[in-house]
Amino acid sequence: EPEVTQTPSHQVTQMGQEVILRCVPISNHLYFYWYRQILGQKVEFLVSFYNNEISEKSEIFDDQFSVERPDGSNFTLKIRSTKLEDSAMYFCASRLTDTQYFGPGTRLTVL
Amino acid sequence: GEDVEQSLFLSVREGDSSVINCTYTDSSSTYLYWYKQEPGAGLQLLTYIFSNMDMKQDQRLTVLLNKKDKHLSLRIADTQTGDSAIYFCAEKKGYSTLTFGKGTMLLVSP
Repeated sequence: EPEVTQTPSHQVTQMGQEVILRCVPISNHLYFYWYRQILGQKVEFLVSFYNNEISEKSEIFDDQFSVERPDGSNFTLKIRSTKLEDSAMYFCASRLTDTQYFGPGTRLTVL
Repeated sequence: GEDVEQSLFLSVREGDSSVINCTYTDSSSTYLYWYKQEPGAGLQLLTYIFSNMDMKQDQRLTVLLNKKDKHLSLRIADTQTGDSAIYFCAEKKGYSTLTFGKGTMLLVSP
């Protein structure tokens, strides 16, 4: 069964550094998402992406964040200058119809 | 207040039924979902219900939706130790964004 994959599974970085989190959505899906889950808290929506542009974003998704679909299979989330409070689990999701399928997540630790 | 609310913890014995409850606030939500998260893992879609339905059954899972009270429940029949996980209720609002509850930790003891 096709699934969403994410790499790396765990990323450790220093405050102020840039990170890129990578996702490979399910191949025939058209809508892509990033969510995050700070430890012990609920899953929060960051951004949705369709037809090579952002379709919706939350207040969390400020100028430090960007998304890209560079090659038709990968979907990336870049954080330009990480802060301690960016430490969280980041989930990618994709959908074709009404149901979003989630990847296993990347745990980002900012020191 | 929170958009989607769930009780934080539920403990049951193996073989019993589990009922996880959720309340939501947006009456325009079109779909409501249940996701399962095992330790260190991602979110696994369990089931979903369209807002014009009252009930949906899928093997051991039964979803009940009370639109008047904006109440959603997930019943797991014959709960097994492998069902121990965090269960998230989510509502789809607007275009496609999902809004999640904080999750209910289900602990199944032998």
